[in-house]
Amino acid sequence: DTGVSQNPRHKITKRGQNVTFRCDPISEHNRLYWYRQTLGQGPEFLTYFQNEAQLEKSRLLSDRFSAERPKGSFSTLEIQRTEQGDSAMYLCASSPTGAGEPYEQYFGPGTRLTVT
Amino acid sequence: DAKTTQPNSMESNEEEPVHLPCNHSTISGTDYIHWYRQLPSQGPEYVIHGLTSNVNNRMASLAIAEDRKSSTLILHRATLRDAAVYYCILRMDSSYKLIFGSGTRLLVRP
Repeated sequence: DTGVSQNPRHKITKRGQNVTFRCDPISEHNRLYWYRQTLGQGPEFLTYFQNEAQLEKSRLLSDRFSAERPKGSFSTLEIQRTEQGDSAMYLCASSPTGAGEPYEQYFGPGTRLTVT
Repeated sequence: DAKTTQPNSMESNEEEPVHLPCNHSTISGTDYIHWYRQLPSQGPEYVIHGLTSNVNNRMASLAIAEDRKSSTLILHRATLRDAAVYYCILRMDSSYKLIFGSGTRLLVRP
């Protein structure tokens, strides 16, 4: 069990550029989540997939953000025309399906985005 | 989404028990109570969860008030490794998303 991995770990970009982050969940975890965390705050839910279907999306997620999980395995989060307010840690988590409720989400180490 | 209220910070001595409180007066009957913690420079980590009854696992115990309007996370013997931000989260039965608050920063003194 290698855990949830995220790449890159750090990204510095200039305002107005597009960025894409990748998340590889734990093998066979059908559910995948994206969160964003700014300094001193708790993580903020962005979106959630079950297999390749995006089932829930936060109202906070502007049109500049898009997430995909095309084959139900890894996921990408793209931010278009980045703004300084997008600077944050982007966290990915996954959880298994099965009997009982999905009580445990396994988080990756995050991708830290800095927009200059 | 139902809200939780936690103290901003708490301190404890190493090897002593720690009781981390959480108020959730607007909890609904089908909301699960989850606790996660986040060590410095890491993603959050699941600690424990419950619905109505008290729960124990290898990491901690969760004591839930009879009216479910509050709960307490109990670390039986704090270690330096337990220094982290602890989040109390209510999760709706119909949703898989976690709504984090600001959490409680736990400091453990050697």
